[in-house]
Amino acid sequence: DAGVIQSPRHEVTEMGQEVTLRCKPISGHDYLFWYRQTMMRGLELLIYFNNNVPIDDSGMPEDRFSAKMPNASFSTLKIQPSEPRDSAVYFCASSLRGQTEKLFFGSGTQLSVL
Amino acid sequence: KQEVTQIPAALSVPEGENLVLNCSFTDSAIYNLQWFRQDPGKGLTSLLLIQSSQREQTSGRLNASLDKSSGRSTLYIAASQPGDSATYLCAVNQAGTALIFGKGTTLSVSS
Repeated sequence: DAGVIQSPRHEVTEMGQEVTLRCKPISGHDYLFWYRQTMMRGLELLIYFNNNVPIDDSGMPEDRFSAKMPNASFSTLKIQPSEPRDSAVYFCASSLRGQTEKLFFGSGTQLSVL
Repeated sequence: KQEVTQIPAALSVPEGENLVLNCSFTDSAIYNLQWFRQDPGKGLTSLLLIQSSQREQTSGRLNASLDKSSGRSTLYIAASQPGDSATYLCAVNQAGTALIFGKGTTLSVSS
């Protein structure tokens, strides 16, 4: 298996623009997680899905953030409109049976909002 | 509220040295604790997962221990190599919450 695949690897955009980050989890994994990593706050969970259904989105910072998982092999995280404080590395991770199991992370998307 | 702390934030050692990375957490009611490795520009790789009922886990040159009552875990790396240079993060898992991560210890092993 190729592991968790994220795209794009880098995204530079201007404040106010819409940003869409993409993730393909490992086949057969029922759980998908979106994390954000910054120097100040470290790694924070934004939202996670179980069998394509959002379970906990309490980490989503504002209504500007939204996430979808239309099928078992694809998820998106959208920021609209983007702001400079959204600049961070966004990771997608998947696991077989939730956070009590080993998580497998993608390589992340480095987002810079100017 | 659970807090996870890793000290030191950075560590430099010469090749061949045995070393210990520390992780402490404030609430001992955890399901498990995981140690991850993160290379620059890369995602996290799970190294070891210790269940709350376990005292330690081993994988190759790595040994992780857990003392739940004192809120501490250590990651022991034997005979360190330059390829071990990375950031090591620990994360605790509790009922009804997301994995809570420490901010990591950045290890540099010089040849």
